[in-house]
Amino acid sequence: EVQLVESGGGLVQPGGSLRLSCVVSGFTISSNYMTWVRQAPGKGLEWVAVIYSAGTTYFGDSVKGRFTLSKDNSKNTVYLQMNSLRLEDTALYYCAGLYCSSGSCYFDSWGQGSLVTVSS
Amino acid sequence: SYALTQAPSVSVAPGQTAVITCGGTDIGSRSVHWYQQKPGQAPVVVMSFDGDRPSGIPARFTGSTSGNTATLTINWVEAGDEADYYCQIWDDTDDVDVVFGGGTKLTV
Repeated sequence: EVQLVESGGGLVQPGGSLRLSCVVSGFTISSNYMTWVRQAPGKGLEWVAVIYSAGTTYFGDSVKGRFTLSKDNSKNTVYLQMNSLRLEDTALYYCAGLYCSSGSCYFDSWGQGSLVTVSS
Repeated sequence: SYALTQAPSVSVAPGQTAVITCGGTDIGSRSVHWYQQKPGQAPVVVMSFDGDRPSGIPARFTGSTSGNTATLTINWVEAGDEADYYCQIWDDTDDVDVVFGGGTKLTV
């Protein structure tokens, strides 16, 4: 059974930092693309970042330069380091696995999310 | 950057057909994926690569794309279909960009 379990969310002040973790079971992240998607309260889905199996990372425009993404294949865990947090980063952050084929990818497995609240 | 447009809401009676659209420039040339999200739950893919239905998704769900519009059709709508629906495309022609539509709230 595939499971993605996020942790590390919480309340942080503007300008602060937080690191989210996503522990994966049921498949190996070393051969899969992993990503983060966020959802602000009452809003839609927003893609945050992706890490390819080889470790290459890409980020959405709203988080570029502030967030980094890494993984530990031995722990089957993905990490989202969030720095210089802003009020608008407040959201539920989902870890998700990607299925890719023919030049396109979709999110085929999701965690239950980790809530990040940025507030003074 | 590329944008996907969805109507905020669609309302249908049980047993009727719900049509949820997703607009984007020449979206017919891209692969479109659709997600269903119920309150308090993570999204679930209900249609991939325009018209491929993942295992476990009822045959009442169909998808298609043409021109500037992608369409998710739900036949014989049930109360349990009430949810938010999002379309999504993947673009890695330059930098990687993943775009979601704004979502459509389906009320049954």
